Amino acid sequence: NAGVTQTPKFQVLKTGQSMTLQCAQDMNHNSMYWYRQDPGMGLRLIYYSASEGTTDKGEVPNGYNVSRLNKREFSLRLESAAPSQTSVYFCASSYGDGYNEQFFGPGTRLTVL
Amino acid sequence: DQQVKQNSPSLSVQEGRISILNCDYTNSMFDYFLWYKKYPAEGPTFLISISSIKDKNEDGRFTVFLNKSAKHLSLHIVPSQPGDSAVYFCAARPGGYQKVTFGTGTKLQVIP
Repeated sequence: NAGVTQTPKFQVLKTGQSMTLQCAQDMNHNSMYWYRQDPGMGLRLIYYSASEGTTDKGEVPNGYNVSRLNKREFSLRLESAAPSQTSVYFCASSYGDGYNEQFFGPGTRLTVL
Repeated sequence: DQQVKQNSPSLSVQEGRISILNCDYTNSMFDYFLWYKKYPAEGPTFLISISSIKDKNEDGRFTVFLNKSAKHLSLHIVPSQPGDSAVYFCAARPGGYQKVTFGTGTKLQVIP
């Protein structure tokens, strides 16, 4: 069991470039999430997918799009990267019932110049 | 508007002593609380949780206490070990929803 995997681990972009962060889980979880972590801000929810075929905005969705490709995969896209999107991005998954803990991937460190 | 607050950015404790990490929340709709632990360059991992119908939950060296009237919870680690050195995040969610709100984290250093 690999758990939650994320690619890439590191990425440097120039302002205006686009990229997609990939996330996959092999735990047969229903729900998946994207967070960003910034110094002094904790983890903030960008988007989540309660189940396959659904997505909803979190706390900080502006500048991002997501795709729940299938039950295993949930991608995050930056269409036109900005320096304010420099952050560490974490993908997570859970069974989806109201009180289950989330399992996190190792993170992607993104720098936008 | 920070709905989950961890007012101590860092904490240092001697090995073998008790570590107490605190968390306050403002949203009275929160009814399930979690603690996560995070090592550098890794994702957070779930540590312990508590439902609002309880005031204490214990798992080995880790105990979480919930004071609903004060909107306060705390994580106790007894005895503290050097391997406990990490950032600890408090998190909370309203009943039945999957959107979790995280605090800003407390960096714990356990000194051998």
